[in-house]
Amino acid sequence: KAGVTQTPRYLIKTRGQQVTLSCSPISGHRSVSWYQQTPGQGLQFLFEYFSETQRNKGNFPGRFSGRQFSNSRSEMNVSTLELGDSALYLCASSLRGVRSEQYFGPGTRLTVT
Amino acid sequence: AQSVTQPDIHITVSEGASLELRCNYSYGATPYLFWYVQSPGQGLQLLLKYFSGDTLVQGIKGFEAEFKRSQSSFNLRKPSVHWSDAAEYFCASNFGNEKLTFGTGTRLTIIP
Repeated sequence: KAGVTQTPRYLIKTRGQQVTLSCSPISGHRSVSWYQQTPGQGLQFLFEYFSETQRNKGNFPGRFSGRQFSNSRSEMNVSTLELGDSALYLCASSLRGVRSEQYFGPGTRLTVT
Repeated sequence: AQSVTQPDIHITVSEGASLELRCNYSYGATPYLFWYVQSPGQGLQLLLKYFSGDTLVQGIKGFEAEFKRSQSSFNLRKPSVHWSDAAEYFCASNFGNEKLTFGTGTRLTIIP
């Protein structure tokens, strides 16, 4: 079974631009969560999507948004990029439920200059 | 407040030596707990999980972890480390919901 895939793997953007990251979950997984990883703040939860609806949201500004498609693939978008948005963005998929493990993709490394 | 704490930022062990990575949690009930490993430039790989029942859980790559309610701990252990175990290790809990709360991580260095 193929794992979680994320595209692109690396991205360089300029302040003020916007960016869209993509995540394809493991086949059969309908829950997709996004996390931001930075050296200063560590791993932080952004949001979770299930059945095309955002079910949970972390403590991030409205510039961070996402969506999920009917095939469970998910995208996250960051508008008006700031230098502090430079991070590794990780996507995780699961069957959903508190006893479901989350399986992570390799991440997208975003650098904002 | 619900939290996961990893007291050790960096640990160095010799190849073949035993390993214990510490994890403590703060939660009013029994949490669901996980250990993940991250190699440089990679995503997170699940090593093991604890939901209920037997407090000693076995995982992949020869790792095990023990849940101790009295100490609010979920320490990760391995009897004999290999150079390939060098990585960053994260303890996490979902505290009964869908989002994972992570500790700050412990970077493991292996010396020959």
